[in-house]
Formats: sequence, structure tokens, C-alpha cells
Amino acid sequence: DGGITQSPKYLFRKEGQNVTLSCEQNLNHDAMYWYRQDPGQGLRLIYYSQIVNDFQKGDIAEGYSVSREKKESFPLTVTSAQKNPTAFYLCASSRGLAGGQETQYFGPGTRLLVL
Amino acid sequence: SQKIEQNSEALNIQEGKTATLTCNYTNYSPAYLQWYRQDPGRGPVFLLLIRENEKEKRKERLKVTFDTTLKQSLFHITASQPADSATYLCALDTEDSNYQLIWGAGTKLIIKP
Repeated sequence: DGGITQSPKYLFRKEGQNVTLSCEQNLNHDAMYWYRQDPGQGLRLIYYSQIVNDFQKGDIAEGYSVSREKKESFPLTVTSAQKNPTAFYLCASSRGLAGGQETQYFGPGTRLLVL
Repeated sequence: SQKIEQNSEALNIQEGKTATLTCNYTNYSPAYLQWYRQDPGRGPVFLLLIRENEKEKRKERLKVTFDTTLKQSLFHITASQPADSATYLCALDTEDSNYQLIWGAGTKLIIKP
């Protein structure tokens, strides 16, 4: 079964705590993305990666960090510097072709709540 | 400033009728426009992509139009069914977007039996 998996489905963070959200894909896609979704707003890009060992900040990278050590995996860490982390986090991947037409495939999401 | 707008109010449609959703944008020159479906608590799922030089695209009961003069895309679902109830998102892909899509907030569609 090809697709993207995210874990956990729900995650609770305490004050001052770093938490890591997992994202794995077996679609053999080069590009991966992390989005944050808040009610009434469009998806906002946190980080993206076009190739292993390389990633770029999106529009709202502050308070987040990522790594891309393997093609299949793109974990997101929400650090204590992110003061308003409560949101629905979505991981996506695409083939990474130049020239656009990049359809994105999404995981099921992780809902992060602050205790 | 650059904006992409979808109707924030839910759209209620009677089963069997055609549902039409709108995506308006300003200050972009999109190369492609995409529509996705999102169910509650789930990730978006790709539906259709239309290029700037295409006026219309169809897939089964779905139809998308793209008017670069009006800066608007319309998304139609014909013979709507309760199972079509979901939030529909539009996303722009501009020539210089460097793999990034720019997303609307989505419109919630409710199909009443």
C-alpha cells in the first residue's frame, strides 16, 4: 500500500517541551512538506524539502525544525519557542518535478494540543 | 498584497442539484490551479488540476473552469450526493513558486438528502 503515514494522530505538549511529529512516505517522492492548518485559514507552509539532506523554510518556520536524513522520512519538531502550537499538522509529498504541475499527496494529519 | 479567497460560509445544496464553488485570487499569475477535497480530521485529497491556458477540465461529475482575466476558478459538482459533503480547497501554483502551492481556506459543502 503506497502512501504517507503520520504519527501520532493526537499529541499533547506540556509547557517548555519539544515534541516530534513523524512523517513517512513510500511513494518514492523527492519533495516533502509540512503544513499547519488552523480553523478558517489556508494551509500554511512550515518547511519543505526537495532532496535528501536539504530543506528550506516556509512562511511560518519560526519555532519549528526539521531533518531529511532519508528520502522516506521528514520529521517535524515543534520546539518550546513555538508559543501557539495548537493546530492540525499535515505532511505531504510530491514527485519534485521542475516546472510545476506538482500534485501533493497528504498524510492523515497530527492534531497537537497544549496541556 | 497577494490573496486567494474562497467563500468562508458553508454552501448548502439539495441532493441532485449542481454545487458551484468559487476561488478568487489577486496579484498572482498562476501557472496551474488545483482543487482538493478534505474530510473532517483528514488530509486533503487531490481532485483536479487545470493549466492557465485551459478553460475547462472535467472528471466524471466534476468540472473546473479557469478564467485568468477574472482571476477566478469555479468548481462544479453535478448530480450532487450527500457523500460529496466535505471542505473543498483550491491551491495555486505559480511559475516562480519553487514547488510551493498557495492555499485557499476552503469552502464547506453540505449536500442535503
